Parts: sequence; C-alpha cells; structure tokens
Amino acid sequence: DTAVSQTPKYLVTQMGNDKSIKCEQNLGHDTMYWYKQDSKKFLKIMFSYNNKELIINETVPNRFSPKSPDKAHLNLHINSLELGDSAVYFCASSQELPPRFVRYGYRHGYTFGSGTRLTVV
Amino acid sequence: SQELEQSPQSLIVQEGKNLTINCTSSKTLYGLYWYKQKYGEGLIFLMMLQKGGEEKSHEKITAKLDEKKQQSSLHITASQPSHAGIYLCGADSEYGNKLVFGAGTILRVKS
Repeated sequence: DTAVSQTPKYLVTQMGNDKSIKCEQNLGHDTMYWYKQDSKKFLKIMFSYNNKELIINETVPNRFSPKSPDKAHLNLHINSLELGDSAVYFCASSQELPPRFVRYGYRHGYTFGSGTRLTVV
Repeated sequence: SQELEQSPQSLIVQEGKNLTINCTSSKTLYGLYWYKQKYGEGLIFLMMLQKGGEEKSHEKITAKLDEKKQQSSLHITASQPSHAGIYLCGADSEYGNKLVFGAGTILRVKS
C-alpha cells in the first residue's frame, strides 16, 4: 500500500484552466503538506494543514487553494493556471509531536508522495 | 529564515569511487533529513540526524551531523549506477512544522 498517494502523476493543461491535484495518506498522520519543486529542482513548502486546519501558507498566490476534507486528505486546487505554475508538486505528511517534545529536540519523519508533474502550455 | 547550502551542485563519478555531499545551514539544525530523488519519481527517505556528532549508515551510505549541528555530510562508498539521482538535504524548523530544503546535488555514476 502506498503511504502517501497523489493523483494524477502527470497533468498537462492550458493557461487559464482550473485544475486539482489530490493527495491521500494512510499513515494516520495529523499533518499534511504541499511542496513545489521548480525547474531547478528547488523544493519549497507551500502549505501545511494539521487536522484540517491551515497552519502554514508560504505567500502562495490566491489562485492556489488547498482543501482538507479530513486529516487523511489534502487537495490542491489551482485557478487560472499560468506558465510559471509548471512544476512538480509533492504532497507529504508527518505525525504531530507535542510542543514539549519539539522543545526537547525530538523530531518526526516526513513521508513524501511520488509527485505530480504539472505542465502548463 | 533558515537557508541550506549544498555542495557540490553536481557530481560525476566513476563507478566504484567514493564521494561526499555536504549540506551547510545558516542556523542550528534541529533535524536534518537526507532524501534521494530519481528523475520523475518521488523523494526517498534516506536518513535523519538530530544530535550533534551523530552518524548513521545504511548499506553504502553514511550521513554525519557535526558537533555544532550546522553541517551535515553524506558519504557514499564504492558508488554504483543505482546511486545516481538528486540528493536533497532538508532541515526541520525550530518548531518542527516544516522542512527547508537545499538546492540538491545531482549525482551521476559512470559505468
């Protein structure tokens, strides 16, 4: 069973279209993320959700709207696609640790999906 | 904000040779993760380091975190074509809520 699964794996679409990428994790993790990897392979966080609540929004354009119907799913909807949106989008999940564990230096693992290669033409 | 610098940016080695990839942080590292990515595929978790001076090994890959927790190295012994790919180091934030990645190192292994 795939721990973090994304669909579709490839997505080719025209400028101006609206598209969605789906992500599901079966690890029972509390937190899910979306990362974007640009053409230079640089990987950067976009959003994180904890138990369906938005935690991190790294100055991503409003055209990107994550939606988390439950803690096992985090979907990414993109409106009015632009050429610069072409990239590989990775979903990830992790288990939240209590703040005192984090302060003591404990860290959890992050599990990534296989990525969705979005090409806007 | 934390920044990670990886070196070298790319590397071509002859099969059987050893190699080292470095990851240097602008701030103290609370958790340092090494991932490998093959073209068109997802990130494969290799190792996580947390304590200063920590060293972990898996098969022919060894990762170390220095005592000051600002630099990590990934060493591959007797490289094989299967080691080829992009190696990414990622640092956990102080609050343990996101990973910041280096720019990656592209490794090619010549047979």
